[in-house]
Amino acid sequence: DAGVTQSPTHLIKTRGQQVTLRCSPKSGHDTVSWYQQALGQGPQFIFQYYEEEERQRGNFPDRFSGHQFPNYSSELNVNALLLGDSALYLCASSLGRGGTDTQYFGPGTRLTVL
Amino acid sequence: QKEVEQNSGPLSVPEGAIASLNCTYSDRGSQSFFWYRQYSGKSPELIMFIYSNGDKEDGRFTAQLNKASQYVSLLIRDSQPSDSATYLCAVNMGSDSWGKLQFGAGTQVVVTP
Repeated sequence: DAGVTQSPTHLIKTRGQQVTLRCSPKSGHDTVSWYQQALGQGPQFIFQYYEEEERQRGNFPDRFSGHQFPNYSSELNVNALLLGDSALYLCASSLGRGGTDTQYFGPGTRLTVL
Repeated sequence: QKEVEQNSGPLSVPEGAIASLNCTYSDRGSQSFFWYRQYSGKSPELIMFIYSNGDKEDGRFTAQLNKASQYVSLLIRDSQPSDSATYLCAVNMGSDSWGKLQFGAGTQVVVTP
């Protein structure tokens, strides 16, 4: 049973650049949530996608955007990168239709902005 | 005001002893509660979830929920060195925030041989 996968594992960008992170949910799951985890802090909710639409959004600027594809995989895009965007970006999958909100995390993408 | 609060630790526990971790939350409408374990440099791993008041046991782990007092706790019995990690409490705060998990900053647990 395939778990949540994310790519790339690590990424180094410079300020002002744009980045795209990718996530494939656990087999059988249809909902993808994205979180940002800064060092020493708990994950912060960015947004959640279900049926290819953004269903929930946290307190993140519009520079953070996303997309969900028909196969339930998802992308997180961040424009105009700032030094403060350096963090571990986590994707979590769950079953949205009739399921609980139990979320399972992927291995994460470590983003460093120089 | 932080919505989910945990003691940051580190919580030092002798091997074989019980580790007790606490978490408080601010929203009385919160419906579901989760404990995740996170090893250094890794992603969070789900340990347990609990929805109803009372205790829920799974192996060496017991989650306790008290909605009236707005706290949830995790007990780790017979602590092992492999339990050394950061434990994250996560709360789903109400039906209009379904799927939006609010995390605490985590409690670091160190199990000493």
